[in-house]
Amino acid sequence: AQSVTQLGSHVSVSEGALVLLRCNYSSSVPPYLFWYVQYPNQGLQLLLKYTTGATLVKGINGFEAEFKKSETSFHLTKPSAHMSDAAEYFCAVSPTKSLSGGYNKLIFGAGTRLAVHP
Amino acid sequence: ETGVTQTPRHLVMGMTNKKSLKCEQHLGHNAMYWYKQSAKKPLELMFVYSLEERVENNSVPSRFSPECPNSSHLFLHLHTLQPEDSALYLCASSQFSGSADTQYFGPGTRLTVL
Repeated sequence: AQSVTQLGSHVSVSEGALVLLRCNYSSSVPPYLFWYVQYPNQGLQLLLKYTTGATLVKGINGFEAEFKKSETSFHLTKPSAHMSDAAEYFCAVSPTKSLSGGYNKLIFGAGTRLAVHP
Repeated sequence: ETGVTQTPRHLVMGMTNKKSLKCEQHLGHNAMYWYKQSAKKPLELMFVYSLEERVENNSVPSRFSPECPNSSHLFLHLHTLQPEDSALYLCASSQFSGSADTQYFGPGTRLTVL
């Protein structure tokens, strides 16, 4: 069974500092990988996703993530944090083989809350 | 309206009440989802509808009853809930492509059961 582990339920950085949010997955074959962000009082919004090809994926708002198969990781980074990045971030996986029901099931990690202080 | 909308945004109900949550997607997608988001727990997938047929039901108690009358609308009917059912209920939709489909989420309904 697939699972996702996000190391650190809370991360705090200074404005302008590097953001690093960690995600490791467990899967017998490399899955599709996603990062979603949830701002206060809002639903989840896709930041980026990895399917195939280039292992460094660029997303919205200056975020990027690198798929490392040997480490079963998909860590999210941003070179310089902004106050507006304060939110909760979720890593998720889905199987690369489509389910018979006509949808891809997402399995989420528990989330990491990012705080950005001046 | 664009994207995925949910009503109401907040709901307080007693344990003996009956209420319904509504979700509408304006994206032309063919799959819709209900998730439960509780504090300090991963998102829990409750139900999935694909082409208006329920394709997943993750051992959800019968006090939660989904309904998908058409591809744009999804309801979650609630009755005789328990205080531990208090959570944020998120609706999502996606277009099945056989690849890494992006799910688009609504803002959620914050449910409090007294």
